[in-house]
Amino acid sequence: DADVTQTPRNRITKTGKRIMLECSQTKGHDRMYWYRQDPGLGLRLIYYSFDVKDINKGEISDGYSVSRQAQAKFSLSLESAIPNQTALYFCATSDFGGEQYFGPGTRLTVT
Amino acid sequence: AQKVTQAQTEISVVEKEDVTLDCVYETRDTTYYLFWYKQPPSGELVFLIRRNSFDEQNEISGRYSWNFQKSTSSFNFTITASQVVDSAVYFCALSEGPYSGGYQKVTFGTGTKLQVIP
Repeated sequence: DADVTQTPRNRITKTGKRIMLECSQTKGHDRMYWYRQDPGLGLRLIYYSFDVKDINKGEISDGYSVSRQAQAKFSLSLESAIPNQTALYFCATSDFGGEQYFGPGTRLTVT
Repeated sequence: AQKVTQAQTEISVVEKEDVTLDCVYETRDTTYYLFWYKQPPSGELVFLIRRNSFDEQNEISGRYSWNFQKSTSSFNFTITASQVVDSAVYFCALSEGPYSGGYQKVTFGTGTKLQVIP
């Protein structure tokens, strides 16, 4: 089984809808991250969490919120989806060493 | 502020050719980590290597090798005898720190798309 899983893998939604992307990990890492990937822009950090009680905004947090339900679970919500949030979303985990282990990604399309 | 530049947007090589992917970074810290990740056409991101700023030894892993030069702030990645399976987008990344209990901001380059032609 994969160490980091994301659900759903693909999602098409309409403008204005609320949507939640879920991430679970079995690596036992405390640190979890949400990124979005857009063509030509690399990976940009949305939110990160060092433990269940620690949530921090990344460089592009506007329009997003997160919940760290447990050490192993970190969810990303789009409160009111808009078309420019169409992207590939990745969840990642890391230990103190810094290398990140990524989930398979969620391809989100907002129409 | 930290920055990672991958100037090569796309590279095409014929199978069995050697290819080098360039990565230039900027940081004011003396302690940092450098990483390479691979993103094949299937889309997942795969960690390849981590190098800390105090270790300038080059690393070789099979057909992959990495050349870290602090003097030029570069961390280049060479694939020897390329194969079609090497076709992917490759990302270089930089993390300053580590800081005790603090966030190690990771900055990714914009990636280099490598196409290996059979």
